[in-house]
Amino acid sequence: DSGVTQTPKHLITATGQRVTLRCSPRSGDLSVYWYQQSLDQGLQFLIQYYNGEERAKGNILERFSAQQFPDLHSELNLSSLELGDSALYFCASSPRGMAEQYFGPGTRLTVT
Amino acid sequence: EDKVVQSPLSLVVHEGDTVTLNCSYEVTNFRSLLWYKQEKKAPTFLFMLTSSGIEKKSGRLSSILDKKELFSILNITATQTGDSAIYLCANSPSNTGKLIFGQGTTLQVKP
Repeated sequence: DSGVTQTPKHLITATGQRVTLRCSPRSGDLSVYWYQQSLDQGLQFLIQYYNGEERAKGNILERFSAQQFPDLHSELNLSSLELGDSALYFCASSPRGMAEQYFGPGTRLTVT
Repeated sequence: EDKVVQSPLSLVVHEGDTVTLNCSYEVTNFRSLLWYKQEKKAPTFLFMLTSSGIEKKSGRLSSILDKKELFSILNITATQTGDSAIYLCANSPSNTGKLIFGQGTTLQVKP
């Protein structure tokens, strides 16, 4: 158990819908990262937040957005869902100034 | 463009064998090279190698970093069925917190 929590574990929804994935980082970690893992793309970085502010962006679609709240939990919002958005979404956190990241159990999103 | 390439993509061995997994990288501002093990779901952190720490060992697992040739290897000796997993290599450039992952090596250890 890494100490990073994510909810829900599984999500099944229809095309065109909007969902919110939630993540709580390890105690004391200020950075939160979101990754998408699909069979054909591997593990891809989406976005990073540090202490409430966006720090870095990867290949995140405009339909996706994220935020980090004052209590440091983060939410990833996915809208206008398409079949191709079906994937595992991981959240990770890291200690301040450290490169290693600790991953949560992931949310498996299925878009039908 | 920053890139990480792992080889082989898959590997099948028998218990007791020794395996070597390869990771080569291209990165503009190198900070560290990380190895993760992914079993059923979340990647779990194994090692981090930096300019000041180019060799790491933990039990039957060890890893080295060659900064000149831009590659790393992960060795697993006396493999066990519990070592079956996807092994991911990732680069952490110095100008960003993100991890750039390779495709992973799927290791299957047969009894």
